[in-house]
Amino acid sequence: DIQMTQSPSTLSASVGDRVTITCRASQSITKWLAWYQQKPGKAPKVLIYKASILESGVPSRFSGSGSGTEFTLTINSLQPDDFATYYCQHYNDYSWTFGQGTRVEIK
Amino acid sequence: EVQLVQSGAEVKKPGESLKISCKGSGYTSDTYWFGWVRQVAGKGLEWMGIIYPGDSDTRYGPSFQGQVTISVDKSIDTAYLQWDSLKASDTAMYYCASFYCTGGVCSPLDYWGHGTLVTVSS
Repeated sequence: DIQMTQSPSTLSASVGDRVTITCRASQSITKWLAWYQQKPGKAPKVLIYKASILESGVPSRFSGSGSGTEFTLTINSLQPDDFATYYCQHYNDYSWTFGQGTRVEIK
Repeated sequence: EVQLVQSGAEVKKPGESLKISCKGSGYTSDTYWFGWVRQVAGKGLEWMGIIYPGDSDTRYGPSFQGQVTISVDKSIDTAYLQWDSLKASDTAMYYCASFYCTGGVCSPLDYWGHGTLVTVSS
């Protein structure tokens, strides 16, 4: 089974910062990688799919890149609404594994 | 717009059985799947499995194979998650999600229910 490893597990940042979260797959998943945002008490929401495609309605300060085994989620100019937990997920296969999550907290 | 409505919170004792549901609506084609995701309080998301209503093709996450049963009733667009014998460690929020697959290409988990909280305690 494919394992997804996210880093860091927690990230402290300030409003306006640029933040980057990394997700590594245990084997190549080409571009079948999605990023989700989850706020406390809410269901997750898709931000990015196929590694770099922005979901409709998601602000353009979010971007994704990568292919194969290494992927990144970048948030340019962090906004107050962005403090949340972010998960990567491999999908479109027999195993849809999530990464462990990265909590973005206020510095 | 796809909407997923999950059944209400449950409180059960260890050893009891349970079946929770997720009713979908608003689909624009038949190529949709249901998925289930577990989240223990304060922890991350765990993919439990997915099911295709068209032929009940089911795929389980390795940690959940043999531990739960995922089923579907296509006639009412409803997916189910079932336990035969609950354990305290099954206490968690369970999210239903839905996505489309066309020609072997799937979307991620685009649509989510509100979650069903399952508490297992003696």
